[in-house]
Amino acid sequence: KAGVTQTPRYLIKTRGQQVTLSCSPISGHRSVSWYQQTPGQGLQFLFEYFSETQRNKGNFPGRFSGRQFSNSRSEMNVSTLELGDSALYLCASSPWSGGIQETQYFGPGTRLLVL
Amino acid sequence: AQTVTQSQPEMSVQEAETVTLSCTYDTSESDYYLFWYKQPPSRQMILVIRQEAYKQQNATENRFSVNFQKAAKSFSLKISDSQLGDAAMYFCAYRTSYAGNNRKLIWGLGTSLAVNP
Repeated sequence: KAGVTQTPRYLIKTRGQQVTLSCSPISGHRSVSWYQQTPGQGLQFLFEYFSETQRNKGNFPGRFSGRQFSNSRSEMNVSTLELGDSALYLCASSPWSGGIQETQYFGPGTRLLVL
Repeated sequence: AQTVTQSQPEMSVQEAETVTLSCTYDTSESDYYLFWYKQPPSRQMILVIRQEAYKQQNATENRFSVNFQKAAKSFSLKISDSQLGDAAMYFCAYRTSYAGNNRKLIWGLGTSLAVNP
């Protein structure tokens, strides 16, 4: 099975712009979660989607949003970019079937640099 | 709220030796999952090992094993016969086992492991 894929791998944006990141889960996985990783804050949960619905949301401002499509692919959007949004954004997929099967498998990440 | 603490920001080990990485957590739940993930310089987050809290037997995956002490809320990772490819950042993570919407991973800050030839 192919793993989780994320596009693009690298992005450079300027303050005030917006950005959209994409994540394709492992085939058969229906849940997609997003995490932000920074040197200062570590790994922080952004949100989780299942069946095209946001099921869980972390403590991030409304500038961070996401969605999931019927094929389980997910996108996250950050509007009005700030310097502090520079980070590695990780996407993880899981089956949403309960139990240890709910282990999350991660993509390679998208590294966003805001100038 | 649950928290995960990794008290060793950096560790090093000689190739072929054994090293143990520490992780403690705080929770009021009785059932949950614990994970160790590895993040090499490529930044790809890779699952190393996982443990269900209701299982008393410690999980093992080849050279990787855990020492799960539920009462002490401790979940350490032992790497045996360390290899150069084990050099990475290691993260301990917690997740509730309850169904519903609070399924996020809660992470420690990581331990950077160097393997010396």
